[in-house]
Amino acid sequence: GAVVSQHPSWVICKSGTSVKIECRSLDFQATTMFWYRQFPKQSLMLMATSNEGSKATYEQGVEKDKFLINHASLTLSTLTVTSAHPEDSSFYICSARDSRPRGVQETQYFGPGTRLLVL
Amino acid sequence: QKEVEQDPGPLSVPEGAIVSLNCTYSNSAFQYFMWYRQYSRKGPELLMYTYSSGNKEDGRFTAQVDKSSKYISLFIRDSQPSDSATYLCAVGFYGNNRLAFGKGNQVVVIP
Repeated sequence: GAVVSQHPSWVICKSGTSVKIECRSLDFQATTMFWYRQFPKQSLMLMATSNEGSKATYEQGVEKDKFLINHASLTLSTLTVTSAHPEDSSFYICSARDSRPRGVQETQYFGPGTRLLVL
Repeated sequence: QKEVEQDPGPLSVPEGAIVSLNCTYSNSAFQYFMWYRQYSRKGPELLMYTYSSGNKEDGRFTAQVDKSSKYISLFIRDSQPSDSATYLCAVGFYGNNRLAFGKGNQVVVIP
């Protein structure tokens, strides 16, 4: 149990286009999902916290208009990178917290990540 | 000062050796401590979770926390090539969504 999927797993796009990444909790409901960014050999950097039915909470320094987050249901959150540029190339990982914790309440279950390359 | 410090230096060990990984954290108010394992090009998976000082064992893995020193460790006994991965420590507060992650330690177990 506690599986999180991401789609697509990788994407290559031209500079100036927008890219949408989906994060789904497959076997549990998640009122809270998180979006991280990870550069090579670096740690996870929290970008924003996505709350079902309300606006996302962005970390300091993360542009809200650049990284649009929508958490429309208890199992789906989307991250849209708008007008992508080469510096947006990175590994984007989502995680989800089970709304009805069965074990460790604070556990975040991570998706497999989406590798974005902007040319 | 970073919330969590973890020396990212790659660590190579022969198969069967004990792997020792460490993190320090700056805020004594952190309440729970985790270790995640991340294989190349994959998302992290939770290995160990603990909230009190002392040792917690799970198979070949032992998580150790020393709250007085703000120091957490992960030990892997009888290391296997399949243990080759990046190991990230993470700390958090109850009731707060944020986890603070270390940079991660890349471990290579040589057959």
